[in-house]
Amino acid sequence: GEDVEQSLFLSVREGDSSVINCTYTDSSSTYLYWYKQEPGAGLQLLTYIFSNMDMKQDQRLTVLLNKKDKHLSLRIADTQTGDSAIYFCAESSASKIIFGSGTRLSIRP
Amino acid sequence: GAVVSQHPSWVICKSGTSVKIECRSLDFQATTMFWYRQFPKQSLMLMATSNEGSKATYEQGVEKDKFLINHASLTLSTLTVTSAHPEDSSFYICSAYVSGGANVLTFGAGSRLTVL
Repeated sequence: GEDVEQSLFLSVREGDSSVINCTYTDSSSTYLYWYKQEPGAGLQLLTYIFSNMDMKQDQRLTVLLNKKDKHLSLRIADTQTGDSAIYFCAESSASKIIFGSGTRLSIRP
Repeated sequence: GAVVSQHPSWVICKSGTSVKIECRSLDFQATTMFWYRQFPKQSLMLMATSNEGSKATYEQGVEKDKFLINHASLTLSTLTVTSAHPEDSSFYICSAYVSGGANVLTFGAGSRLTVL
């Protein structure tokens, strides 16, 4: 079945770039998404990319998609303490959205 | 922008009681809503797809009689946890598609259920 995988943790120094990686299995996915979840809150859509694109940039966020390898990444430039959260990768598959396990991003001074 | 509102945001109940959680689309109509469950430090598990005017579609392993879903209008879906037990304690999040072609899900803020 469909599966989305992410590493569980990432720690970066404030001001550096963060790169969160994700792999997925459904080659027919139309859209791929990145969501952010802060403690005790719901999920907030950060950005999404259509499957026929290979890059999308939105201010500090850059999404790279390698459709051949089914690999998606999210780069956050100039990481700030407010970026501390769990980041979920997700793919649209048939009528569902399948989520990865989430990557907890922590920022060190 | 599209907003999904959940109520209550947190609830504590005694074992054996039933709890209802509401999910409303505030400024758009949602024929389909999704209910997720999230355990601490884990990902979201899709429980069911709520369809306006018809029965919900439950994922494998989710008890229909335990988690009753009603989607009586285009802006409201409810999840009732019946005869709740401590193992039902969790964070429940609803979401709905916002029209526009990208199948973007908008999430509610979640409801934390604690069963004593």
